[in-house]
Amino acid sequence: EPEVTQTPSHQVTQMGQEVILRCVPISNHLYFYWYRQILGQKVEFLVSFYNNEISEKSEIFDDQFSVERPDGSNFTLKIRSTKLEDSAMYFCASNWDTSYEQYFGPGTRLTVT
Amino acid sequence: SQQGEEDPQALSIQEGENATMNCSYKTSINNLQWYRQNSGRGLVHLILIRSNEREKHSGRLRVTLDTSKKSSSLLITASRAADTASYFCATAPPWGGATNKLIFGTGTLLAVQP
Repeated sequence: EPEVTQTPSHQVTQMGQEVILRCVPISNHLYFYWYRQILGQKVEFLVSFYNNEISEKSEIFDDQFSVERPDGSNFTLKIRSTKLEDSAMYFCASNWDTSYEQYFGPGTRLTVT
Repeated sequence: SQQGEEDPQALSIQEGENATMNCSYKTSINNLQWYRQNSGRGLVHLILIRSNEREKHSGRLRVTLDTSKKSSSLLITASRAADTASYFCATAPPWGGATNKLIFGTGTLLAVQP
């Protein structure tokens, strides 16, 4: 069964450094998403992406964040200058239509020290 | 209360018993989805119920949806130790609107004792 994959599974970085989290969505899906989950809290929406552009972003997704689909298969989330409060599990998700289930990747645990 | 609140926050049962988790939400929806998350791991999609459906089954799972009360329940029958996980509901907004993000609930932590 097709699945969403994410790399790396765990990333440790120092405050102020740039990180890029990578995702490969399911191949025939058209809508792509990033969510995050701070330890012990609920899953929060960050951004959605369709037709090569951001369709929606949350208040969390400020100028430090960006997304890209560089080559038709990868979907990346970049944090330009990480802060301690960016430490969280980041999930990529995709679906082929907005009224259908979103399939989530296994997540990247980001630890900012 | 926030969109997507679940109760109970934690539930401990014995293997073989049934587990029921509830979810309430505030806005109109296209569908409501339930996900499972094992400790520190990814989100596994369990079941989706659309706003025009009242009940849905998948294996040992039974989901109900009451749009008049803006609530849903997830029943796991004949629970097993392997069902131990956090369970989240997530609502999807009406189709064609300005948003298509999922809004997650606070989750129920289920512990099934062998």
